[in-house]
Amino acid sequence: TQLLEQSPQFLSIQEGENLTVYCNSSSVFSSLQWYRQEPGEGPVLLVTVVTGGEVKKLKRLTFQFGDARKDSSLHITAAQPGDTGLYLCAGEYGNKLVFGAGTILRVKS
Amino acid sequence: DAGVTQSPTHLIKTRGQQVTLRCSPKSGHDTVSWYQQALGQGPQFIFQYYEEEERQRGNFPDRFSGHQFPNYSSELNVNALLLGDSALYLCASSSNRLDRLTNYGYTFGSGTRLTVV
Repeated sequence: TQLLEQSPQFLSIQEGENLTVYCNSSSVFSSLQWYRQEPGEGPVLLVTVVTGGEVKKLKRLTFQFGDARKDSSLHITAAQPGDTGLYLCAGEYGNKLVFGAGTILRVKS
Repeated sequence: DAGVTQSPTHLIKTRGQQVTLRCSPKSGHDTVSWYQQALGQGPQFIFQYYEEEERQRGNFPDRFSGHQFPNYSSELNVNALLLGDSALYLCASSSNRLDRLTNYGYTFGSGTRLTVV
């Protein structure tokens, strides 16, 4: 059984602070995807990382895939209230996505 | 370009009843996956349909079944509903034909909120 451990589960920070969310597993995934989900909506894809050691930047968000393709991190610089939401990591394993439990991020102004 | 469409958006059923949820994939997508998301948890994979056949199945009982139609739309059926089946059911579509390097990632619908009482 493939498992993804995501941490922290909950993060409450002030506007302008930096934060990092981690996603770890003992399984190797063909890709690692990060999603953001708003209440009452489905997850929306932010980024996909495929190659071990890959780093992708999306404005203030930086995503990294571990060298062994078992772990990933999401770093947000200068967080804004609009970043508030549920962040989910998902590893692609065969034809399925294995999701972490999610990180609830709250950015206070 | 319409994304993934799911219906209904909300549903209340009684224990023991049966329910059918529907999903229309994003235009150009031919593969449909279903996920169950309990409150406070990440989505759990139920199964995936491609070419009208179940291609892979997660750890869910046989009470959960599905179907894919020639137009790529899909249905999720759950029989003998239990209180524990209450969750957000998400449909995700993807393409098996496009270059995976440029088409990674799935498009999710907004889900069907199922409440079993």
